[in-house]
Amino acid sequence: GENVEQHPSTLSVQEGDSAVIKCTYSDSASNYFPWYKQELGKRPQLIIDIRSNVGEKKDQRIAVTLNKTAKHFSLHITETQPEDSAVYFCAALRLRGATNKLIFGTGTLLAVQP
Amino acid sequence: DGGITQSPKYLFRKEGQNVTLSCEQNLNHDAMYWYRQDPGQGLRLIYYSQIVNDFQKGDIAEGYSVSREKKESFPLTVTSAQKNPTAFYLCASRARVPNEKLFFGSGTQLSVL
Repeated sequence: GENVEQHPSTLSVQEGDSAVIKCTYSDSASNYFPWYKQELGKRPQLIIDIRSNVGEKKDQRIAVTLNKTAKHFSLHITETQPEDSAVYFCAALRLRGATNKLIFGTGTLLAVQP
Repeated sequence: DGGITQSPKYLFRKEGQNVTLSCEQNLNHDAMYWYRQDPGQGLRLIYYSQIVNDFQKGDIAEGYSVSREKKESFPLTVTSAQKNPTAFYLCASRARVPNEKLFFGSGTQLSVL
């Protein structure tokens, strides 16, 4: 069945450094890849997403890259700040077809040390 | 995401009891989803519905039931058959293609007494 693997499970960086989180998906028909940020006890919030017809997308300090051949996508956060500390989830979705369910990775706990 | 309301925020279940979690959205979204989140783990899909009066099982549907009688509402019942119900439950909704963005409710924490 569909599966999304996410690494690392925890990541600690110093304020100002970059952070990279990587995900691999199994369903080659997946064509939409969002990233969510979840603070403790809160709902996940969409921070950036990318479609399969695009290789890279950037929004200020956040960027996502997609390698369709390798079925691999990554989240890049530059100039990290303490408020970036949270759990980050990647996900994959096949937008067309009989089922439209979003499959999530297991999450990465990012800790930004001041 | 403010258009999805989950209630209650905290819920306690006694042994052998069924409890129902509410999820209402005013975003006119067709698709709605229920996810379960255990501490330190990802989001696992319980049930989802793409249109009114239709729903499909997700990866961990055993011990749960849903209904979709109205577009705005997708309640989740945690039955007594679910032996380990303690978790954070998240409801989400999404408009039809091409708007693929998924919006989450604020969640319900269910605990067993």
